[in-house]
Amino acid sequence: ELKVEQNPLFLSMQEGKNYTIYCNYSTTSDRLYWYRQDPGKSLESLFVLLSNGAVKQEGRLMASLDTKARLSTLHITAAVHDLSATYFCAVDLGSGNTGKLIFGQGTTLQVKP
Amino acid sequence: KAGVTQTPRYLIKTRGQQVTLSCSPISGHRSVSWYQQTPGQGLQFLFEYFSETQRNKGNFPGRFSGRQFSNSRSEMNVSTLELGDSALYLCASSANRGSGTEAFFGQGTRLTVV
Repeated sequence: ELKVEQNPLFLSMQEGKNYTIYCNYSTTSDRLYWYRQDPGKSLESLFVLLSNGAVKQEGRLMASLDTKARLSTLHITAAVHDLSATYFCAVDLGSGNTGKLIFGQGTTLQVKP
Repeated sequence: KAGVTQTPRYLIKTRGQQVTLSCSPISGHRSVSWYQQTPGQGLQFLFEYFSETQRNKGNFPGRFSGRQFSNSRSEMNVSTLELGDSALYLCASSANRGSGTEAFFGQGTRLTVV
C-alpha cells in the first residue's frame, strides 16, 4: 500500500527565514502534486511535478522531485506571513489508478512576524 | 472560467439518515474525484468517475456511493449516516482521466452528523 509521509507536520518560523518541507513516498511514481489549504478552505493547486528532476518555482516557493529517492521537497525562501497555511503533497499512482491521489498528512506552516 | 462548485456548503444530519452531495466540475472537465477529509485520517480518496463510469474506488464501505451524469456533474450519497462520517467532502475535477492531469478542488461540503 502506498504511503506518503510529510516532514515536519508542524512548522513555526519567523518571517524572512528559509525552510524545507519533505515528502517521502513508498512506491514508484513520477507524478507528484503540491497543494495549499487555508483554514476552512479548499485545496489550491501549487505545483505539478511530472518527471524525475522536475523543479518548479512560484514566488517564494520552489518544489522539486527526485523519483529515485522517492522524495519531493517544497522549499520556502524568505517566508512571509501570507504563506501561513497547510501544505499537502499528493502522489498519483499512474496508469490503472487515474484520478486517485494519495495525500500526505499535511504540514501546517505558521509564519510569525 | 467558473471553478468546481459543490453544494450544499454545510449540512447537519442525524445518525441513520442519508445525504446526497453535489459537484459540478469545471466546464469541459470529464473526470470527477471525491475525497473525505477528517482531522484523524486526513485526505482519503473515495471514488473517481469519468464519462459516467466509476473507474476507481477507495476503501470505504458500501454506504458511500456516487454517480456521474452525462453533463459530468457528480453526486455522492452516504446512507445510514454514522457519527464518524462527519467530515469535509471535497470534489476535484480534471480535464481527462490520464495520469498527471492537474486536479482542481471545490470548496467542499462540510457534513456534521449528530
